[in-house]
Amino acid sequence: SAVISQKPSRDICQRGTSLTIQCQVDSQVTMMFWYRQQPGQSLTLIATANQGSEATYESGFVIDKFPISRPNLTFSTLTVSNMSPEDSSIYLCSVGTPYYEQYFGPGTRLTVT
Amino acid sequence: AQKVTQAQTEISVVEKEDVTLDCVYETRDTTYYLFWYKQPPSGELVFLIRRNSFDEQNEISGRYSWNFQKSTSSFNFTITASQVVDSAVYFCALSGNYGQNFVFGPGTRLSVLP
Repeated sequence: SAVISQKPSRDICQRGTSLTIQCQVDSQVTMMFWYRQQPGQSLTLIATANQGSEATYESGFVIDKFPISRPNLTFSTLTVSNMSPEDSSIYLCSVGTPYYEQYFGPGTRLTVT
Repeated sequence: AQKVTQAQTEISVVEKEDVTLDCVYETRDTTYYLFWYKQPPSGELVFLIRRNSFDEQNEISGRYSWNFQKSTSSFNFTITASQVVDSAVYFCALSGNYGQNFVFGPGTRLSVLP
């Protein structure tokens, strides 16, 4: 399976600021996804990062708050904008396989103060 | 809409006991995929298994086994002779045809005590 890395691994940010999270894959993949995992909770899909076009957002998530870029088949970024303490979560990227499995990066642990 | 239910929030067992984690799903798709993931205390998500809706064969991998029953919309996971290293949160997940609408269950926290 692909090796997936995320930067930063963790960060503490001030309310009202923005943070960009990077996801790098060691091979070309068609499907990339971004998830949020709030403390003690399950994973919730934020959006599908489409290469060469706008991301597809799930209900409850909007582009202004979570802009996503996908400039090529190995890289994507998620920005968490105008952060509030409610945005404190683990953010994970994943890649999809032709067999519809998803493999996950190590996650970015974000704390907003 | 797709939904996954894991009724067991937390389970504690003593090492070497067998334990079954329940997963019940809802979908209107005729073709769909079911998954189990493990999230140990370190936080990374580990893929364990994928099952297609048209393949009801049960699967065994070492101490792990999975029982898929379409008639009851269940995809249960059994760990035989549990070990302390099995302590983790286990998530059941569901996707539609072509892998869309990927949804996770709430997870079951398994604690294996020495």
